[in-house]
Amino acid sequence: KNQVEQSPQSLIILEGKNCTLQCNYTVSPFSNLRWYKQDTGRGPVSLTIMTFSENTKSNGRYTATLDADTKQSSLHITASQLSDSASYICVVSSTTDSWGKLQFGAGTQVVVTP
Amino acid sequence: ETGVTQTPRHLVMGMTNKKSLKCEQHLGHNAMYWYKQSAKKPLELMFVYNFKEQTENNSVPSRFSPECPNSSHLFLHLHTLQPEDSALYLCASSHRDGKTSYEQYFGPGTRLTVT
Repeated sequence: KNQVEQSPQSLIILEGKNCTLQCNYTVSPFSNLRWYKQDTGRGPVSLTIMTFSENTKSNGRYTATLDADTKQSSLHITASQLSDSASYICVVSSTTDSWGKLQFGAGTQVVVTP
Repeated sequence: ETGVTQTPRHLVMGMTNKKSLKCEQHLGHNAMYWYKQSAKKPLELMFVYNFKEQTENNSVPSRFSPECPNSSHLFLHLHTLQPEDSALYLCASSHRDGKTSYEQYFGPGTRLTVT
């Protein structure tokens, strides 16, 4: 079973609207959590990274939250734009992995329509 | 994408062909990775190289053979592949300092189709 679960698998939103993506993980002990954006035909690009002591991090219109107690994270997209259409991947790493092995979620495919 | 480059971007090969994927990083990193990304599945780590030494082989079939001649270049040699090997192959690099691995930067990937 994958240690990082994302929901929903996909969603369609109207341009200008907000949306929230969810990530639940079982990775332990926890080191950090990253959200990546992957455009079609491109490699993933990091949006935010949060450690245990951080519960929110923003990058422009993207805001990530982390609840290390419940092992949940969310990525909120504000005032969506067509360029936000992409796959958003939640990635968690553990302190026990000597070389920083990453646990990947399967991603949420977001489609922003005009 | 100038940080990590991959060639070719698209590749179609028959099951009896031999081909190679190339990755180059221009970020001064000392660790490089190969990942496989299949549709609607999480990225799967295949190989890790640290200072040209392979430190991880994630139970990858021998029809995939990595090569890391230096810390800036990484190859994935392919031979007698199966149709289920069709996927996006991503290369990444990062800095490693002892036991700590820092953020990984990904290339654009090679879309591989095995016919």
